Amino acid sequence: GNSVTQMEGPVTLSEEAFLTINCTYTATGYPSLFWYVQYPGEGLQLLLKATKADDKGSNKGFEATYRKETTSFHLEKGSVQVSDSAVYFCALSGTYKYIFGTGTRLKVLA
Amino acid sequence: DTGVSQNPRHKITKRGQNVTFRCDPISEHNRLYWYRQTLGQGPEFLTYFQNEAQLEKSRLLSDRFSAERPKGSFSTLEIQRTEQGDSAMYLCASSLDGGSQETQYFGPGTRLLVL
Repeated sequence: GNSVTQMEGPVTLSEEAFLTINCTYTATGYPSLFWYVQYPGEGLQLLLKATKADDKGSNKGFEATYRKETTSFHLEKGSVQVSDSAVYFCALSGTYKYIFGTGTRLKVLA
Repeated sequence: DTGVSQNPRHKITKRGQNVTFRCDPISEHNRLYWYRQTLGQGPEFLTYFQNEAQLEKSRLLSDRFSAERPKGSFSTLEIQRTEQGDSAMYLCASSLDGGSQETQYFGPGTRLLVL
């Protein structure tokens, strides 16, 4: 069945450091891929998405490219801020329901 | 766009009691989903509505759980005879049927604690 694997956290970075959070997936067909962010005590907010191979999703300085050949959708940001501290979830769309990874907690220190 | 809303945001109950949560989706969205998220995990699918029709229920949704969307607008999720293992964040999401462009938008969640 479909599944998503994320790198385990927590990831601790200094402000302005480069961020990579790895995400790989297993899926039949051609799912859409998503990154969601969850701040403490809140629901999930869509960060970015890509709907087909080689698409790049981007938002707020974050980017991820849909790589079919490596079944990956790694999240990157060139310069993180303290306000980026949150839990990041990679997800893929099935027929309708989403399959989520376990989440990666990011902590950015000033 | 007022977003997806959920009420209550927090619920503390005693084991054996019944609880009901409400979700109001984005107004034009015809699809509505319920997920459960336990500590340190990603959300897990519970059930899905297309308009008022409940089209799938996960095996996670035991007989004690029931969900409705009576007029194809808001939805309720009821848990009967709550157990401590039901403690979790219950998330609602909605979307507009749009094929590969479809995106689910999540509410803030209802955090349930069963004592």
